[in-house]
Amino acid sequence: DTGVSQNPRHKITKRGQNVTFRCDPISEHNRLYWYRQTLGQGPEFLTYFQNEAQLEKSRLLSDRFSAERPKGSFSTLEIQRTEQGDSAMYLCASSLQGAKETQYFGPGTRLLVL
Amino acid sequence: AQTVTQSQPEMSVQEAETVTLSCTYDTSESDYYLFWYKQPPSRQMILVIRQEAYKQQNATENRFSVNFQKAAKSFSLKISDSQLGDAAMYFCAPSGGFQKLVFGTGTRLLVSP
Repeated sequence: DTGVSQNPRHKITKRGQNVTFRCDPISEHNRLYWYRQTLGQGPEFLTYFQNEAQLEKSRLLSDRFSAERPKGSFSTLEIQRTEQGDSAMYLCASSLQGAKETQYFGPGTRLLVL
Repeated sequence: AQTVTQSQPEMSVQEAETVTLSCTYDTSESDYYLFWYKQPPSRQMILVIRQEAYKQQNATENRFSVNFQKAAKSFSLKISDSQLGDAAMYFCAPSGGFQKLVFGTGTRLLVSP
């Protein structure tokens, strides 16, 4: 069990650029979640995958955000035309359905939009 | 919509002492779980303890225990024999639809020698 991994760990970009983050869940975990955490706040739910199906998206996820989980393994979160308000820590978590629904978190990707 | 209230922005405790962090929540879910996570500075979120809402017995995990009052929608965390390594932000998080977590604003725990 290597844990949830996320890449990159840090990303600095200029406003208007596109960025993509990757999350590799714990192997055999079929559920994958993305959260966003701003400074001094708790994480907020963005979206959820069960296997390859994206089953829920938060209203926080504007049209500039898209997430995928091809083949039900790793997931990517893309932000198009980044804005300064997108600066945050993006957290990924995975869980195994039926295993008391415990989510295990990755280290996060910290995004800074200049 | 679910809401979570952690009314203590910061708590202090001395090593070896006991501290209790409070959490209240509101949910329309009938079947859910409750979690406490710990987030050390610049480090990742770590599970501290988990409680199934259908269980009356309070969960314990070594020095960590909870006081779960389902009717009052209260879920407090007690840390016994506090250690310097317990210093972190602590987040209370009940699960919602599709088991997504709804986090409170957190309580910063300071541990002094």
